Amino acid sequence: DVKVTQSSRYLVKRTGEKVFLECVQDMDHENMFWYRQDPGLGLRLIYFSYDVKMKEKGDIPEGYSVSREKKERFSLILESASTNQTSMYLCASRYRAEAFFGQGTRLTVV
Amino acid sequence: QKEVEQDPGPLSVPEGAIVSLNCTYSNSAFQYFMWYRQYSRKGPELLMYTYSSGNKEDGRFTAQVDKSSKYISLFIRDSQPSDSATYLCAMSVQGGNNRKLIWGLGTSLAVNP
Repeated sequence: DVKVTQSSRYLVKRTGEKVFLECVQDMDHENMFWYRQDPGLGLRLIYFSYDVKMKEKGDIPEGYSVSREKKERFSLILESASTNQTSMYLCASRYRAEAFFGQGTRLTVV
Repeated sequence: QKEVEQDPGPLSVPEGAIVSLNCTYSNSAFQYFMWYRQYSRKGPELLMYTYSSGNKEDGRFTAQVDKSSKYISLFIRDSQPSDSATYLCAMSVQGGNNRKLIWGLGTSLAVNP
């Protein structure tokens, strides 16, 4: 079974902090994604990566950056956390059209 | 207009009912159609995956794609309380930059014992 592991289930951070969300997949997938999920807004794509050191902006990249130094690991960085970044963050890896998700990180910015 | 439309519900049915969940879409280039199930406070998990048009059945679940109407459905037979979750549809074009999935907002389903 494909496993996508996110480093934290719950995080509480202060406004202005730099926040790192880590994601690791164990199936050698080339494509990895970061989404945020908010009530009434659904899944929104922040960034995706289709190879090591390659990244592309999704629909809502502002305030975020990403890093992919190794194929299995895709990190999401909140440069200066703000309260409007309080959300559920979901990492996914993808083979062809099928996406496999981690359990999600519930981030609260206070 | 969104590329993918999905009624958010909530949908509440008695145990044993047949459930019909639906999505409509506007992009005729979509070739891959997926249904995901998401339990509360968990990540989505792939439930059904269909390429192009037609039906696909897996146990109590049936996925249908009608490309002429740009309409996809997920049917759940003999629904169980454990089916209570949010169901998301997702779609993708074939080839080229098929790396992005386009998502519906999800339909919340409650199956009552």
